[in-house]
Amino acid sequence: NAGVMQNPRHLVRRRGQEARLRCSPMKGHSHVYWYRQLPEEGLKFMVYLQKENIIDESGMPKERFSAEFPKEGPSILRIQQVVRGDSAAYFCASSPRTEREPQHFGDGTRLSIL
Amino acid sequence: GESVGLHLPTLSVQEGDNSIINCAYSNSASDYFIWYKQESGKGPQFIIDIRSNMDKRQGQRVTVLLNKTVKHLSLQIAATQPGDSAVYFCAETHSGSRLTFGEGTQLTVNP
Repeated sequence: NAGVMQNPRHLVRRRGQEARLRCSPMKGHSHVYWYRQLPEEGLKFMVYLQKENIIDESGMPKERFSAEFPKEGPSILRIQQVVRGDSAAYFCASSPRTEREPQHFGDGTRLSIL
Repeated sequence: GESVGLHLPTLSVQEGDNSIINCAYSNSASDYFIWYKQESGKGPQFIIDIRSNMDKRQGQRVTVLLNKTVKHLSLQIAATQPGDSAVYFCAETHSGSRLTFGEGTQLTVNP
């Protein structure tokens, strides 16, 4: 029973490039969440999606960031024109159809901007 | 805004001792709380959860206590082992969706 799968584990980009982070939720989970973690800090909510719908994107910057969870395939967090401040660990979590169930996390993507 | 905070950034204990990690939250509407353990280079790992209609819940070697009067949450780890060394986060939600995390407590277990 595979857990939440994120790839790549490490991603290096130069300023101005695009970064694409992928997340496959646990089997049977239809709720996906993205969080960002800076060094020695807690996780900060970015966006909450269900299949083909963005439910809450209040934690995501209005510019350069976008997220999707298509009917088929993984959820994608996309960062355009990356800047040094985007360097962080990005974690994806998933939960079952029923709310108020614990979110289960992947091991994250460490994004480094040169 | 609403926040979840931790009282101590670090906690050092001897192997075999009991550990208590504390958490304060400020959103009185929170109705679901979770403790996570995060090891270096990994994602948060679910430990135990508790709903607001309970004040205590026990798992294997772990107990979570919830005091809604003072908005306080604690995680107790019995007979702490070196493998328990990690950063521990509390998280809360009031809508069953987005989690709000505390800043974390680094637990170090000395052999």
